[in-house]
Amino acid sequence: GDSVTQMEGPVTLSEEAFLTINCTYTATGYPSLFWYVQYPGEGLQLLLKATKADDKGSNKGFEATYRKETTSFHLEKGSVQVSDSAVYFCAFQSGGSNYKLTFGKGTLLTVNP
Amino acid sequence: EAGVTQFPSHSVIEKGQTVTLRCDPISGHDNLYWYRRVMGKEIKFLLHFVKESKQDESGMPNNRFLAERTGGTYSTLKVQPAELEDSGVYFCASSGTGYEQYFGPGTRLTVT
Repeated sequence: GDSVTQMEGPVTLSEEAFLTINCTYTATGYPSLFWYVQYPGEGLQLLLKATKADDKGSNKGFEATYRKETTSFHLEKGSVQVSDSAVYFCAFQSGGSNYKLTFGKGTLLTVNP
Repeated sequence: EAGVTQFPSHSVIEKGQTVTLRCDPISGHDNLYWYRRVMGKEIKFLLHFVKESKQDESGMPNNRFLAERTGGTYSTLKVQPAELEDSGVYFCASSGTGYEQYFGPGTRLTVT
């Protein structure tokens, strides 16, 4: 069935380190892919998206590329900041009339100064 | 513009009791969704309203869960009677005509 597998956390990095959080998905058809972020005490916020193969989503220095051949959507950032500490969720939406999001388990990122 | 709000932020109840969670979507959003995250697991879809109609309720765990959206505005999710495995964070989200879902802060439900 439909599922998302993302890197288990927690991930702890020093400020300015490079970040990669791996995400792969199993879905029928051609889903849209998302990364959501949840900062402490807040709701989930859309971080970036990609709607078709080879699209690159980017926001706030984060990037992820829709790789259909490997069914992956890995999140990267070249230089993390303390303010990036949050839980990151990879998700997809199958599209058509099906709006529901299928999420991974989330990855807790802590960035130390 | 006010975001999605949820009430209460945290609820602690005993097994067998009833709890009602409330979600107020962004004004004008016809689509409203409920999701749940059990500790350590992924966020799972529960159901989707379009206005006051249930579009998809395939994720509702069992008949102890009842969701309503009278008048197509706010929604409630009632759990009756609550069981230990119902503990988790319940998220509500809403969307307009686009794909992006806007999430509330969640309600943390603890069943003891």
